[in-house]
Amino acid sequence: QSVLTQPPSVSGTPGQTVIISCSGTNSDIGSNAAIHWYQQLPGTAPKLLIYSNNQRPSGVPDRFSGSKSGTSASLAISGLQSDDEADYYCAAWGDSLSINYVFGTGTKVTV
Amino acid sequence: EVQLVESGGGLIQPAGSLRLSCAVSGFDVDDHYMTWVRQAPGQGLQWVSVIYPGGSTYYADSVRGRFTIARDAAKNMVYLQLNSLRVEDTAQYYCVKARGWFDAFHIWGQGTTVTVSS
Repeated sequence: QSVLTQPPSVSGTPGQTVIISCSGTNSDIGSNAAIHWYQQLPGTAPKLLIYSNNQRPSGVPDRFSGSKSGTSASLAISGLQSDDEADYYCAAWGDSLSINYVFGTGTKVTV
Repeated sequence: EVQLVESGGGLIQPAGSLRLSCAVSGFDVDDHYMTWVRQAPGQGLQWVSVIYPGGSTYYADSVRGRFTIARDAAKNMVYLQLNSLRVEDTAQYYCVKARGWFDAFHIWGQGTTVTVSS
């Protein structure tokens, strides 16, 4: 089963904007699948950050924004804070012919 | 309050079996899409299985035929039966509620640890 490709790490200084990319194929991101993003703080369970490509659940700051184009997606974190230091994963359901939820390889954000 | 609490993890020998449980509060398990996601030590997230409100079940290729997802509406519990365990099944297992069909995973449990080792 396929995996979405992310850069292993991204770093920035407080206040900066960082962007995490997520690359897929025509069988997942490119098949009109919605992209989701998760944040995993050290030692904790993942938390939903973005759903339906660019929607934020209640309580997620608008510093986090998502976008999608073709077979790629990205997560932007603006006004970077020390609390944002975590692992970030993109994810998407594969095509409806094979029920399969694919996670990205994960990106470690260092502030 | 919506909450998922996993239990049942532990140390098990290769080829052994284990049943993970997920106690659900705040909603009815048979009305929602419930999944299991695992994370091997120091590794990324891997989807394992999903059970639909209608009862249909689906699995990742790596566990199909060995793992079984189930639910008990009366107890409001979700289970993951792990059979023929392999060393590579060692991971933290999370019980997760999806927002809906083909949708994101928005409520996560704290996880339970499964270690497969001789």
